[in-house]
Amino acid sequence: DADVTQTPRNRITKTGKRIMLECSQTKGHDRMYWYRQDPGLGLRLIYYSFDVKDINKGEISDGYSVSRQAQAKFSLSLESAIPNQTALYFCATSDRGTAGLGEQFFGPGTRLTVL
Amino acid sequence: AQSVSQHNHHVILSEAASLELGCNYSYGGTVNLFWYVQYPGQHLQLLLKYFSGDPLVKGIKGFEAEFIKSKFSFNLRKPSVQWSDTAEYFCAVNEGGNNRKLIWGLGTSLAVNP
Repeated sequence: DADVTQTPRNRITKTGKRIMLECSQTKGHDRMYWYRQDPGLGLRLIYYSFDVKDINKGEISDGYSVSRQAQAKFSLSLESAIPNQTALYFCATSDRGTAGLGEQFFGPGTRLTVL
Repeated sequence: AQSVSQHNHHVILSEAASLELGCNYSYGGTVNLFWYVQYPGQHLQLLLKYFSGDPLVKGIKGFEAEFIKSKFSFNLRKPSVQWSDTAEYFCAVNEGGNNRKLIWGLGTSLAVNP
């Protein structure tokens, strides 16, 4: 099932570099999310977008920015990467049409390592 | 702030043992409840969900969960686990109404020994 895709799947970069992670979806969902996953810390929400003109900060948005280029595309940027941003990053989507029930569909993840 | 608690952080079982993973949430109103599973090296997949109706819900791969409103709980169960159930399990809650985000538990890592 490739309804939610993420590129790249793996990335190693150096401190101070600018990095962009991309997410695309073919599910037709209007809502998109970026999470990071760290061992023992579960999933933490970075940013979320309910439509192209609606972008909101999550619980750990510092050091990150996003762009919703189209309904199907939601990019996450690290303006100046630092080692503690090393993590597994997931994009997810959900459908407003399910009356806000909130079921989310996840991409395969991007493993980012900042040296 | 609303929160979701998963009491077991790491669980180790032998094959054929029964499983119960606890999940409690703090929101007092209408909720929608989810269990997601993440197999090693993979993304999160929905295991089961509760929106309304019968509080005992059945999901994929023989899993079930029971919503007990009075206890603010949504515990996951499986009568007989298999080695292939080794994974991380996440409970998530969506507050009913206009709220559109999921509140996530920290996850439970399950290891099933063959």
